[in-house]
Amino acid sequence: DAGVIQSPRHEVTEMGQEVTLRCKPISGHDYLFWYRQTMMRGLELLIYFNNNVPIDDSGMPEDRFSAKMPNASFSTLKIQPSEPRDSAVYFCASRQDGTGGLGEQYFGPGTRLTVT
Amino acid sequence: GENVEQHPSTLSVQEGDSAVIKCTYSDSASNYFPWYKQELGKRPQLIIDIRSNVGEKKDQRIAVTLNKTAKHFSLHITETQPEDSAVYFCAASYGGATNKLIFGTGTLLAVQP
Repeated sequence: DAGVIQSPRHEVTEMGQEVTLRCKPISGHDYLFWYRQTMMRGLELLIYFNNNVPIDDSGMPEDRFSAKMPNASFSTLKIQPSEPRDSAVYFCASRQDGTGGLGEQYFGPGTRLTVT
Repeated sequence: GENVEQHPSTLSVQEGDSAVIKCTYSDSASNYFPWYKQELGKRPQLIIDIRSNVGEKKDQRIAVTLNKTAKHFSLHITETQPEDSAVYFCAASYGGATNKLIFGTGTLLAVQP
């Protein structure tokens, strides 16, 4: 298995532009998570899905952020409009159910976003 | 809100020595405590985890202990090697939903050869 796949790996954009980050979870995994990592705030959970349904989006910082999961093998995180404070590394992670609710989250390689 | 505190933020040890990283959590309903290792520019990777019904777990040179009464858990690495150098994150499940994890702020471990 190729693991969790994210694209692009690096994104540089100007303030005000729309940014779309993409994630392909590990096949057969039921849960998908989006995290943001910065030096100041560490690793924060933004939103997670179970069987393609958003379960908890309380970590989404504001309305400029939105996430979708149209099918079991694809998810997007969109920022519109982007701002310099959105600069961070965004990780996608997935997990398989059937472990009594406990189990490893596998992280993707991350997308390093820079907003100028 | 719920949070996880992690100490120390940096730790430097000599090769072969032991390293200990400590975390405390605030949610009494937390029942899952994973530890992740993140090398520079790489993704976080699980190295060990423990559930609330277990007080200690060991995997070769790595061990984790949990004290639910005091709400703290620790990572112990023995016989450290240069390749152990990385940032280590603890995490705790919260809200009674084990899918949600709060991460500590990380410990940068440097193993000097």
